Amino acid sequence: GEDVEQSLFLSVREGDSSVINCTYTDSSSTYLYWYKQEPGAGLQLLTYIFSNMDMKQDQRLTVLLNKKDKHLSLRIADTQTGDSAIYFCAETPNQGGKLIFGQGTELSVKP
Amino acid sequence: GAVVSQHPSRVICKSGTSVKIECRSLDFQATTMFWYRQFPKKSLMLMATSNEGSKATYEQGVEKDKFLINHASLTLSTLTVTSAHPEDSSFYICSATVTTNEKLFFGSGTQLSVL
Repeated sequence: GEDVEQSLFLSVREGDSSVINCTYTDSSSTYLYWYKQEPGAGLQLLTYIFSNMDMKQDQRLTVLLNKKDKHLSLRIADTQTGDSAIYFCAETPNQGGKLIFGQGTELSVKP
Repeated sequence: GAVVSQHPSRVICKSGTSVKIECRSLDFQATTMFWYRQFPKKSLMLMATSNEGSKATYEQGVEKDKFLINHASLTLSTLTVTSAHPEDSSFYICSATVTTNEKLFFGSGTQLSVL
């Protein structure tokens, strides 16, 4: 079946790097995504990676994909207090735009 | 980037009333819109997929008579929670896509509280 797992909480100090991990079950997913949700708000697409890539870097964000282990991670360099939010990974097992989300990782950044 | 507007952002209603939530794509034509529900501290659960001009496809366990979805135009989809009850209280989010490509654009969500 389709399942996406994430750890629920992560706490880091400002300036440190944050690494949020995600595992998924459907190896047919073409794209994998990271979304950010701030309190009381909708979702913001942070970045995505195509399944034939191992890594994608976008400014402070680095996405690593281990397709063999079905493991996805998001690294935020120089984490700021404004990065405090819930981060969701998601996959599209059947394409067509339908997303399966993980439970979300609540990132807390302490000054 | 593309903008999806969702309205209202917050609604409080009495049990038994119906609530309509609108989702509009402001600067693009959305052939497909999705409706998600999010419980506190939980992930988003896809409720239904809505294609313009056709009936919505509901996920297993979602009552289609309870959650009415209308996608009458390429820029507007509505979700109506009929005869709302306290257990329907949740955060509802819509998203839209132009084609079945990789990018989904999300609305800002609607917090529904049923008293």
